[in-house]
Amino acid sequence: AQTVTQSQPEMSVQEAETVTLSCTYDTSESDYYLFWYKQPPSRQMILVIRQEAYKQQNATENRFSVNFQKAAKSFSLKISDSQLGDAAMYFCAYRSGGETSGSRLTFGEGTQLTVNP
Amino acid sequence: DSGVTQTPKHLITATGQRVTLRCSPRSGDLSVYWYQQSLDQGLQFLIQYYNGEERAKGNILERFSAQQFPDLHSELNLSSLELGDSALYFCASSPTQGSNSGANVLTFGAGSRLTVL
Repeated sequence: AQTVTQSQPEMSVQEAETVTLSCTYDTSESDYYLFWYKQPPSRQMILVIRQEAYKQQNATENRFSVNFQKAAKSFSLKISDSQLGDAAMYFCAYRSGGETSGSRLTFGEGTQLTVNP
Repeated sequence: DSGVTQTPKHLITATGQRVTLRCSPRSGDLSVYWYQQSLDQGLQFLIQYYNGEERAKGNILERFSAQQFPDLHSELNLSSLELGDSALYFCASSPTQGSNSGANVLTFGAGSRLTVL
């Protein structure tokens, strides 16, 4: 079974600074997808960014980018120019690329990000 | 608004009771997923339906059941409730059932907060 580990329960960053959230995963599969979801105090789960394992290029969405290291099974999220609205719980998630497994997501434990003004 | 509608938003009930949580997927999405988020278990996948058929099953208790109706809305039934069932229950939807498409991204609802007293 696949597992996702986020080793940083809490992180903090100053407004306008850059922060990196870590995520590692364990899988024997070669085809999979990785995601970062954000859960603000409203509890809504919001997709931040996704990465296909077959793509070597790291995904980028505005101020959010990832560092995908397939061999190391590492998938970190970098938030640049942090804003107060970025404060939330961030979840790393894994999805198998195999057709038989459906599209279920396996989530990490989450990292609570605080943004200080 | 993600387009995925969950009702009720909050529910308080007593041990031994039965409740039904309802989910309307985003327009055009055929797959529905249920997740449970609790403090001690994190985000756990419960079950997936695709176009009315069960597609994948995760850590769903026998006291819990779900179904997807012809109009694609889904209901999660929780019976013989215990204190430990108190959690946030998320519904998510996606366009298809398959996991081999990067476009099959899950969109989450705002969740139903269940409190069992």
